[in-house]
Amino acid sequence: KNQVEQSPQSLIILEGKNCTLQCNYTVSPFSNLRWYKQDTGRGPVSLTIMTFSENTKSNGRYTATLDADTKQSSLHITASQLSDSASYICVVWTGGGNKLTFGTGTQLKVEL
Amino acid sequence: NAGVTQTPKFQVLKTGQSMTLQCAQDMNHEYMSWYRQDPGMGLRLIHYSVGAGITDQGEVPNGYNVSRSTTEDFPLRLLSAAPSQTSVYFCASRAGESYGYTFGSGTRLTVV
Repeated sequence: KNQVEQSPQSLIILEGKNCTLQCNYTVSPFSNLRWYKQDTGRGPVSLTIMTFSENTKSNGRYTATLDADTKQSSLHITASQLSDSASYICVVWTGGGNKLTFGTGTQLKVEL
Repeated sequence: NAGVTQTPKFQVLKTGQSMTLQCAQDMNHEYMSWYRQDPGMGLRLIHYSVGAGITDQGEVPNGYNVSRSTTEDFPLRLLSAAPSQTSVYFCASRAGESYGYTFGSGTRLTVV
């Protein structure tokens, strides 16, 4: 069964600090991996998309890494801001049709 | 730049009632999908469409119908609402298989 597991489930950090969110997947075949940010009461917004051949991709203060051999991805947030408080969702796409497997998300709270 | 528009934002139904959740996108995207999001679970696919006139079932299709008469619109119909359908529903669209999804802001549905 295709699964995407994210850790930690929730995280609280101080403003200005860095953090790293983890995503492990058992999805086959693999096509690409996406990270989304979901603010409370809003729909998810795409941060990064990485294919099998990409090891890292950045979007401003967000940097995603992918290790296709170990089936792990991470999302690193640099110099966190209050507006980074959100749920971060890891999504793996198997390719063809609409076969996306969603993680349950990491709830991040950034405090003063 | 409306993107994906969902209506209504909130809805309360009585068990057995029917209703239609509306979704419209103005980006000329071929792919459109409906997801439901429940606490502690990843987004789950209800139905999807790869173009006007073409729809298919996702992971949790029971109790829901869809149609795609135009590229822009992809309504989701609840035939006879049940308390198990209490959830937040998201409509999403994308240009092609390699592109990320653009999500609507969601419809919070409560069935009593």
